[in-house]
Formats: sequence, structure tokens, C-alpha cells
Amino acid sequence: AAGVIQSPRHLIKEKRETATLKCYPIPRHDTVYWYQQGPGQDPQFLISFYEKMQSDKGSIPDRFSAQQFSDYHSELNMSSLELGDSALYFCASSDPRGRNTGELFFGEGSRLTVL
Amino acid sequence: GQQVMQIPQYQHVQEGEDFTTYCNSSTTLSNIQWYKQRPGGHPVFLIQLVKSGEVKKQKRLTFQFGEAKKNSSLHITATQTTDVGTYFCAGDNDYKLSFGAGTTVTVRA
Repeated sequence: AAGVIQSPRHLIKEKRETATLKCYPIPRHDTVYWYQQGPGQDPQFLISFYEKMQSDKGSIPDRFSAQQFSDYHSELNMSSLELGDSALYFCASSDPRGRNTGELFFGEGSRLTVL
Repeated sequence: GQQVMQIPQYQHVQEGEDFTTYCNSSTTLSNIQWYKQRPGGHPVFLIQLVKSGEVKKQKRLTFQFGEAKKNSSLHITATQTTDVGTYFCAGDNDYKLSFGAGTTVTVRA
């Protein structure tokens, strides 16, 4: 079965550089979530999109932006990178039913290292 | 805002023993989900509980949702080395899924 695809899997950047992460959700999933997970920490919600519109915003820094495109893939753009941005970035997709978020299917993550 | 607290943070278990991890929310939840993340892996969905007082079992795993829909627990019996990993609860309230800090489980053979 198709899973959530994230790219790149690993990324190394210098401080103040920019980075773009991509996420391809499971086909027919219309909702995409971005999470940031630091070492030994729980996933922190950044932002989500439903039907190409931003649906919720979490602890996403102003230096970051994201969007969902017409084919439902999403990109997370990070600028002016800081050392503290080094983390594992997960994308997840779901097919919400009713008032429930529904099961989240996570990609394998993109590991960003800022030097 | 909604907060989900999870305890214990670490659980060191002798193989064959039982353990429980607990999750508490500051607000009433529409549902609660549980995920397992193996070392170096990504969170994998285990189960979703929706109804007040709901209890679901998956082999050696028993999940409970409190009557007030603000707390949940995961109980694992006869722990095996394959149970190693971090177990996260995630509270869902109007499409906002908040993860607990996770319980990291290690198993002594």
C-alpha cells in the first residue's frame, strides 16, 4: 500500500540558509500535518492543511511557511535556519471523518541538521 | 490551550512483566489515539478510542478511555523485547491532535 513519502530524508544546512521539505500524502488523503520532533521529545505540531487550505497552526516559527498544492502534496519552507531547527520533521496525512482527525499516517521523516 | 500529559516518561520493564502508561488531558477529548515509535522510526498508529469508557484490546495491549473522556491508559501484559519503543497518546479535540510526551519503554531480558 502507498505510504506518505517525504523528501529529502536527510538534509544538512548552515545557519541562516533556507531549506524546503516535501511531503506526498497517501492518495485520496486530503489533510496533511507537519510535526517537528527534537531528540527524545514528542512530535510538536507545526501546521496542517485540509483541501489545500491551512486548517490549523501550531508552534510554527514565523521563519517557516508551508502550503499544500493542487495535487495535495505539501512543502515546508524554512528560512534563516537556526541551530535549534535541527530536528526530525514528520509529515502525516489523514482522511478525516466527522469530528475526528482520524488515523494519522506518518512518513519516515526528514532529518534536518543545521551547522 | 489543550495539553496532554503522559506518565511515566520512562519505563524499564523486566521481560514478562506488565506495565501501564497513563495519559491525561486538560480538556475533554473527542477521541484519543495511541502511537508507537520504534527507535529511529516514525510514529505508527495503534488504536483510536472514541466512546466514553471504551476499552479495546490488541493481543497483549489493552487501551482504555476514561468516562469523562479526559484520560486514557495503555496496559501491556507479559512484556516482550518487541515492545521496545516510545508510546505516545494523542488527544484529539476538533481536529487538533496534541501528543503527550511519550513513555519510552526498555525491556530487560
